[in-house]
Amino acid sequence: NAGVTQTPKFRVLKTGQSMTLLCAQDMNHEYMYWYRQDPGMGLRLIHYSVGEGTTAKGEVPDGYNVSRLKKQNFLLGLESAAPSQTSVYFCASSSGGGSVHLHFGNGTRLTVT
Amino acid sequence: GENVEQHPSTLSVQEGDSAVIKCTYSDSASNYFPWYKQELGKRPQLIIDIRSNVGEKKDQRIAVTLNKTAKHFSLHITETQPEDSAVYFCAGLYSGAGSYQLTFGKGTKLSVIP
Repeated sequence: NAGVTQTPKFRVLKTGQSMTLLCAQDMNHEYMYWYRQDPGMGLRLIHYSVGEGTTAKGEVPDGYNVSRLKKQNFLLGLESAAPSQTSVYFCASSSGGGSVHLHFGNGTRLTVT
Repeated sequence: GENVEQHPSTLSVQEGDSAVIKCTYSDSASNYFPWYKQELGKRPQLIIDIRSNVGEKKDQRIAVTLNKTAKHFSLHITETQPEDSAVYFCAGLYSGAGSYQLTFGKGTKLSVIP
């Protein structure tokens, strides 16, 4: 039981490049989330999903897209990376149905130069 | 949506002393308030939570209190130990359109001095 797994762990992009961050969970959780963490800013919600095939915007969605084609996977895409997207990205999942205990992945450190 | 403010941003205490971190929230309909601990370089992990129908909850050396009237809640750590050093985040639940979103405070870096 791996919990929530994020790939890659580190990535460096040049401005304008694109990439996809993958999140996988093996807990059969309904809800999945993408947060970004910046110094002094806490954890800010980018997008989330309440079930397979659904996505919704969070607090800071601009510049990101997501997809949830399979229940266990939640992908975060950056179409044209900008230096402002340099951050640590955390994926999380929760079972839903009234439970909001978030299980986080280990994070992806992204640097955009 | 929910707005959660957390204070202080940094806190240093001597080993064995108590530490208190406070948060305020804006959405009076919020009904769930967790606390997460994040050690350096690690992922956040839930340490304690409280629902709005309860005023206080304890788990060994940690406790959380909730004042719904004033819309604030606090984390209390007693008999602090060096391993309590970490960043602590409070959060408030915002529910809308059938989903649940946790809005986090900006964090408190707790340093326990041996």
